[in-house]
Amino acid sequence: RKEVEQDPGPFNVPEGATVAFNCTYSNSASQSFFWYRQDCRKEPKLLMSVYSSGNEDGRFTAQLNRASQYISLLIRDSKLSDSATYLCVVNRDNYGQNFVFGPGTRLSVLP
Amino acid sequence: DAGITQSPRHKVTETGTPVTLRCHQTENHRYMYWYRQDPGHGLRLIHYSYGVKDTDKGEVSDGYSVSRSKTEDFLLTLESATSSQTSVYFCAVRPQRGSEVQSSYEQYFGPGTRLTVT
Repeated sequence: RKEVEQDPGPFNVPEGATVAFNCTYSNSASQSFFWYRQDCRKEPKLLMSVYSSGNEDGRFTAQLNRASQYISLLIRDSKLSDSATYLCVVNRDNYGQNFVFGPGTRLSVLP
Repeated sequence: DAGITQSPRHKVTETGTPVTLRCHQTENHRYMYWYRQDPGHGLRLIHYSYGVKDTDKGEVSDGYSVSRSKTEDFLLTLESATSSQTSVYFCAVRPQRGSEVQSSYEQYFGPGTRLTVT
């Protein structure tokens, strides 16, 4: 079993739809959590950090459930520009040195 | 824009040749990382650095070495390239926040180097 797993995808949704991505991690000592987006043949870009209390940034909402070792990302009112691969990232340690990336979930928003 | 450049951006080389990839940053970040990205594996950490001349191994360090003689440059060397090292290589930096709050352990990536070993 991989340490960080994500929905296999791809997700094909119409513009305006709400889409949710799930991520689970197996190391209960994991300390911090992130969502990145990666466009085709580009570098990953930070979308948002995930805080214990949950956090929202415009159309994006991230949730963390430490008891279930589960992270989610909700995108509301999808735009064509949201089409990308979404990467779940977990930091294992207290020092910000040991990051584990999930394989990613690809999203295509269709007109 | 985190001020990170990588060179070369594309390289084709032959098995057995040495290859050095360069990561350059302009913002004096202490922490730097090298990852490789392959289909089905996500990004995997090769080596990282927590200061000049301070480096450590990551998950997939075999066949790779690194050097950091200046804050701004982090070099990744494949001593004798193999076909299994064909990949996309990303450099990343992690800004050190004043309080080092864990939730601030955000990384910012360079544009990547596509390496093909024939």
